[in-house]
Amino acid sequence: ILNVEQSPQSLHVQEGDSTNFTCSFPSSNFYALHWYRWETAKSPEALFVMTLNGDEKKKGRISATLNTKEGYSYLYIKGSQPEDSATYLCAFGNDYKLSFGAGTTVTVRA
Amino acid sequence: NAGVTQTPKFQVLKTGQSMTLQCAQDMNHEYMSWYRQDPGMGLRLIHYSVGAGITDQGEVPNGYNVSRSTTEDFPLRLLSAAPSQTSVYFCASSAPGGSNSPLHFGNGTRLTVT
Repeated sequence: ILNVEQSPQSLHVQEGDSTNFTCSFPSSNFYALHWYRWETAKSPEALFVMTLNGDEKKKGRISATLNTKEGYSYLYIKGSQPEDSATYLCAFGNDYKLSFGAGTTVTVRA
Repeated sequence: NAGVTQTPKFQVLKTGQSMTLQCAQDMNHEYMSWYRQDPGMGLRLIHYSVGAGITDQGEVPNGYNVSRSTTEDFPLRLLSAAPSQTSVYFCASSAPGGSNSPLHFGNGTRLTVT
């Protein structure tokens, strides 16, 4: 069982504001770090798969960074919109097994 | 594109009953897995398969069986349901590449054991 922690558990953001949150994972035996977006009543959808220390990935207004040496990844949302409201999951990959964090639930207020 | 299809969407069982949750994917993915989602916890891996005929245990395998006779199908069997197995179950698949490939999730099965 690999300890993957996400913080904060939830946050509220005003429309138009930017925000970020953290995923912490074991710094040893690293294979990959995944980010998923999970909207209510839907299934999780992949945002990013990151494999290299220093990786930065971007998809529209959402971006992520990766530090494998210290075991953390940040997800950033720039100019939050109501449609960004969702739970964001990170998962630490160890060969074929993914260990998920409990998620950060983002609510964007109009 | 069907992707990953799970059936049923909802199920209520009595303690001690058995059932099979079905999962099928049409993307020719080698890797398939089952997770359970409980409130306040991350998705927890139950069993996974890296190809037809190959299965292995995840983090919480007790009380569940799997088999992988074809690339497309990966059913999850509950042998004797217990209230602790009340949960939402997700099947997922990915292309070869181990944990370097993103997971594609089904829509979930909500199971209640009374």
